[in-house]
Amino acid sequence: ETGVTQTPRHLVMGMTNKKSLKCEQHLGHNAMYWYKQSAKKPLELMFVYNFKEQTENNSVPSRFSPECPNSSHLFLHLHTLQPEDSALYLCASSSLDRGNNSPLHFGNGTRLTVT
Amino acid sequence: AQSVTQLGSHVSVSEGALVLLRCNYSSSVPPYLFWYVQYPNQGLQLLLKYTTGATLVKGINGFEAEFKKSETSFHLTKPSAHMSDAAEYFCAVSDDGTASKLTFGTGTRLQVTL
Repeated sequence: ETGVTQTPRHLVMGMTNKKSLKCEQHLGHNAMYWYKQSAKKPLELMFVYNFKEQTENNSVPSRFSPECPNSSHLFLHLHTLQPEDSALYLCASSSLDRGNNSPLHFGNGTRLTVT
Repeated sequence: AQSVTQLGSHVSVSEGALVLLRCNYSSSVPPYLFWYVQYPNQGLQLLLKYTTGATLVKGINGFEAEFKKSETSFHLTKPSAHMSDAAEYFCAVSDDGTASKLTFGTGTRLQVTL
C-alpha cells in the first residue's frame, strides 16, 4: 500500500477512444502531480495541482486533460491519443507547505498502450 | 537551469559486492538532491534525500549517498548488494526543494547476480 492508488493498472485504447486515469491519495497531501515515464527518457512532469488549482502545465498536448475535484483525487482524461503516448503514467502527491515541502509519494502507475 | 546525469544506464554486481550508482548534477543554487528506486511494475519510492547539513545521508535498505559540492556529485552506495536490490534507481535535483521543481535523471538499472 503506497498511500497513492492509481486505476486502472493497465489500459489499452485505440486512437479514437476516450478514457480516464484515476488517482487517489490517502496521505493528507495538498499537491498532486501527473508524470509520464517513457523508456530511456527522464520522468516528464505533465501537470501539478496545488490545493486543487493547476499550477504547472508543461506544454502538454490538449489531448491530455487533467481534473482535480479535490485535494485527494486527480484524473487524467485522454482522447484521440497517438501511439507515441504509450507510456507509464505516474501519479504522485506531496505536501507543499511554507518551509516544509515533503518528497513525492508515487502510485504504481497506469501502463497505457495506444493502438 | 538544473540537470542530472546518471552515468551508466545498466550496472551489474554480484550479490554481496559493493553497489555504486553515479549521479552528477548541475544547479545554479545549493541543490536539494534525491534518490528514488523503482521496482518492477511499481511507482518510484524515496530512498534518501539531501537538503542541508550532514553531507553523508543514510536511507532505507542500507543505502547511503554523499553530497560532494566540489565534484557536483551525489553517488549512491551500498556496501553489500542483495538480490532484492535489483531495480531502477533515479537521481533527482531540485533548486528549492519543491517537488514540482524536480528534475530526474534517466535512471540506472541495477542487476544483482549470484
